[in-house]
Amino acid sequence: EPEVTQTPSHQVTQMGQEVILRCVPISNHLYFYWYRQILGQKVEFLVSFYNNEISEKSEIFDDQFSVERPDGSNFTLKIRSTKLEDSAMYFCASTGRFNQPQHFGDGTRLSIL
Amino acid sequence: AQTVTQSQPEMSVQEAETVTLSCTYDTSESDYYLFWYKQPPSRQMILVIRQEAYKQQNATENRFSVNFQKAAKSFSLKISDSQLGDAAMYFCASSNYGGATNKLIFGTGTLLAVQP
Repeated sequence: EPEVTQTPSHQVTQMGQEVILRCVPISNHLYFYWYRQILGQKVEFLVSFYNNEISEKSEIFDDQFSVERPDGSNFTLKIRSTKLEDSAMYFCASTGRFNQPQHFGDGTRLSIL
Repeated sequence: AQTVTQSQPEMSVQEAETVTLSCTYDTSESDYYLFWYKQPPSRQMILVIRQEAYKQQNATENRFSVNFQKAAKSFSLKISDSQLGDAAMYFCASSNYGGATNKLIFGTGTLLAVQP
């Protein structure tokens, strides 16, 4: 069964550094999402992306965050200048049709030192 | 705004027994979806079951079924004949139908332990 893949599985970065989290959605999917889960807390929506543009973003998704689909397969989340509070698990998800269930990747654990 | 509440941080069940996980939600939308996702220690979020709010019939998937009470805004998950592999964090989630995006709003999760 096709899967959403995320790399790396764990990223350790110094505060203030830029980090790029990578996702390869399922190949025929059109809608893409990033969520994050701070340790011990619930999963929170960050951003949705469709037709090469952001369709919705949450309050968390401020100017330090950006997303990109640089080619036909990758979907990236960039944090420009990381803060300690960005430490979390970041999940990528995709779906082929609107209102269909989202398929999640295994997540990237981001640790900011 | 949509909210999802899971009032049981942890639950435990004996193998082969039945357990029910609770979830309540709040939304001003008339059309929406409700989901239960499972997150085992391997971290990947796996869809367990989905319910369309316009359908009165409760969704079932093998040993998993829901009790959807639309008026009460309640959406509980029943796991029958529990297995060791059911041990995981379970998240209840909702999404609007027909909005700009079908983002998921999650509850805080219920950690289910299955005792042999």
